[in-house]
Amino acid sequence: GQQLNQSPQSMFIQEGEDVSMNCTSSSIFNTWLWYKQDPGEGPVLLIALYKAGELTSNGRLTAQFGITRKDSFLNISASIPSDVGIYFCAGQNYGGSQGNLIFGKGTKLSVKP
Amino acid sequence: DAGVIQSPRHEVTEMGQEVTLRCKPISGHNSLFWYRQTMMRGLELLIYFNNNVPIDDSGMPEDRFSAKMPNASFSTLKIQPSEPRDSAVYFCASRGRAGALYGYTFGSGTRLTVV
Repeated sequence: GQQLNQSPQSMFIQEGEDVSMNCTSSSIFNTWLWYKQDPGEGPVLLIALYKAGELTSNGRLTAQFGITRKDSFLNISASIPSDVGIYFCAGQNYGGSQGNLIFGKGTKLSVKP
Repeated sequence: DAGVIQSPRHEVTEMGQEVTLRCKPISGHNSLFWYRQTMMRGLELLIYFNNNVPIDDSGMPEDRFSAKMPNASFSTLKIQPSEPRDSAVYFCASRGRAGALYGYTFGSGTRLTVV
């Protein structure tokens, strides 16, 4: 089945630094989504990407849908302590019927004040 | 909108006991998903429903696991008998009729500990 490779698995950074993480797949997706999971909570949607090459921002977060449709990256600028959590990428294919999300294994982000 | 509501938030039970996890999806959403999250395996899809009908239960680990969705506003995931290796966080998520475009909305999860 389809699998997503998400990297890095974990990151330890200083407050104020920029963060970059990415997801790759052996097959193409029509949609890429990025979620964040705060400790003790469920994942929450951050950004959704629907077109190859699309670059979308949400505050300090920027995500891009790769041209090949097999990858996506998420950047966080000027990290702050509340950015701590697990970030998941998810890919989705859909056509006439609703496709389901395939999730990466997550990138755990730790921010040192 | 109250979001996806799961109960209980935490459950500690003894091996061999029956465990029932509950989920109330967002009103109007027509797809519901049950996930299990562990450190080793990440998020695993167990089963999903469309319009209250189970579509794919290939992720259910074994016959000890069962899920039902008797109506559009309620679903249960049952483990009987429970085993220590079932300890994990179980998430329910729902998706609206706009379907693919907006991803899933997750509940806050049920942390299950089987001792």
